[in-house]
Amino acid sequence: NAGVMQNPRHLVRRRGQEARLRCSPMKGHSHVYWYRQLPEEGLKFMVYLQKENIIDESGMPKERFSAEFPKEGPSILRIQQVVRGDSAAYFCASSPRRNDQPQHFGDGTRLSIL
Amino acid sequence: KNEVEQSPQNLTAQEGEFITINCSYSVGISALHWLQQHPGGGIVSLFMLSSGKKKHGRLIATINIQEKHSSLHITASHPRDSAVYICAARKSSGDKLTFGTGTRLAVRP
Repeated sequence: NAGVMQNPRHLVRRRGQEARLRCSPMKGHSHVYWYRQLPEEGLKFMVYLQKENIIDESGMPKERFSAEFPKEGPSILRIQQVVRGDSAAYFCASSPRRNDQPQHFGDGTRLSIL
Repeated sequence: KNEVEQSPQNLTAQEGEFITINCSYSVGISALHWLQQHPGGGIVSLFMLSSGKKKHGRLIATINIQEKHSSLHITASHPRDSAVYICAARKSSGDKLTFGTGTRLAVRP
């Protein structure tokens, strides 16, 4: 009964490269949330997706960041042309239904930009 | 001012002590979550509550909707309880969580 799986656990990129973060929700969960935790700061909401739909992306920067949750496969958070300020821990959470269940978190991906 | 405020920011306790962490919020909510983040960074959902009180083992969470306040209590604290405890509010108007800045708890043996 695997939990929320995120990979990679650690990702190092040079400025200007692309970063792809993957999240496989718990079995039976069709709602995925992405959060970012900057160094020494609290968690911040980025985006909420259901299968094939972005429900709320109000927390995601308008440029360079995108997210998807295809019908098959994991949810992907993509950061293009990374900059030093993108260095953070990125957490994914999933839930089976909208709002009425606690979210289950993955262990996060720690992104470091050189 | 943050919509979700936690206190204290840091807390040190001796093993066995009763611990209380407080969370106040300034918006209408549909649910309040308590999360635990260990030094390794993983996050565990402890409670989700919209009214009253919930208990799980040595952990108790309460919420007072009228006062917009929630507390997390740990009875008979243990060094393995050392972690950052985070409260998060889900606003009535949406789906996303708004997080407090966390309370860093250290329990000494």
